[in-house]
Amino acid sequence: DAGVIQSPRHEVTEMGQEVTLRCKPISGHDYLFWYRQTMMRGLELLIYFNNNVPIDDSGMPEDRFSAKMPNASFSTLKIQPSEPRDSAVYFCASSVTGTGGKLFFGSGTQLSVL
Amino acid sequence: SQQGEEDPQALSIQEGENATMNCSYKTSINNLQWYRQNSGRGLVHLILIRSNEREKHSGRLRVTLDTSKKSSSLLITASRAADTASYFCAPSMDNFNKFYFGSGTKLNVKP
Repeated sequence: DAGVIQSPRHEVTEMGQEVTLRCKPISGHDYLFWYRQTMMRGLELLIYFNNNVPIDDSGMPEDRFSAKMPNASFSTLKIQPSEPRDSAVYFCASSVTGTGGKLFFGSGTQLSVL
Repeated sequence: SQQGEEDPQALSIQEGENATMNCSYKTSINNLQWYRQNSGRGLVHLILIRSNEREKHSGRLRVTLDTSKKSSSLLITASRAADTASYFCAPSMDNFNKFYFGSGTKLNVKP
């Protein structure tokens, strides 16, 4: 299995632009998570899905952030409009029921908003 | 707060020495996991210990769990330079599928 695949690996954009981060979970996994990591705030859980349905989005910082999972093999995290304080590494992770929640992380997207 | 808090924040040791990292949490848990993050990479799962277990081993890793003290420790024996990474604990509270991470322990193993 290729693992959790995220794209792009790096994204540099200007303030005000729309940013879309993509994630392909491991085939067969029924949970998908989006995390954000910064030096100041550490690793924050933004939102998670179960069977493509958003279960908890209480970690999404603002209305500028939205996440979708149109099918079991694809999810997006969108920021519109982006701001410099959104600069961070965004991780996607997936897991499967019955494993106690063992998470498999992607390599992350390094986002820089200028 | 539902997240675990790792201690110390940073640890520097010589290759061959043992490294011990601690995790504290505030509420009852179902299980607790430890993850490793190499610089610039995603987190990698190391070991999971359930609330009814007290100790678990995996290779050079030993994890203990004390639910009465709401704490866990991760011991890496005979450390190697390749163990240099940040280590995070993730307690799971009300279900198995929602994890909050602390700030991690940054381990540096000097060759």
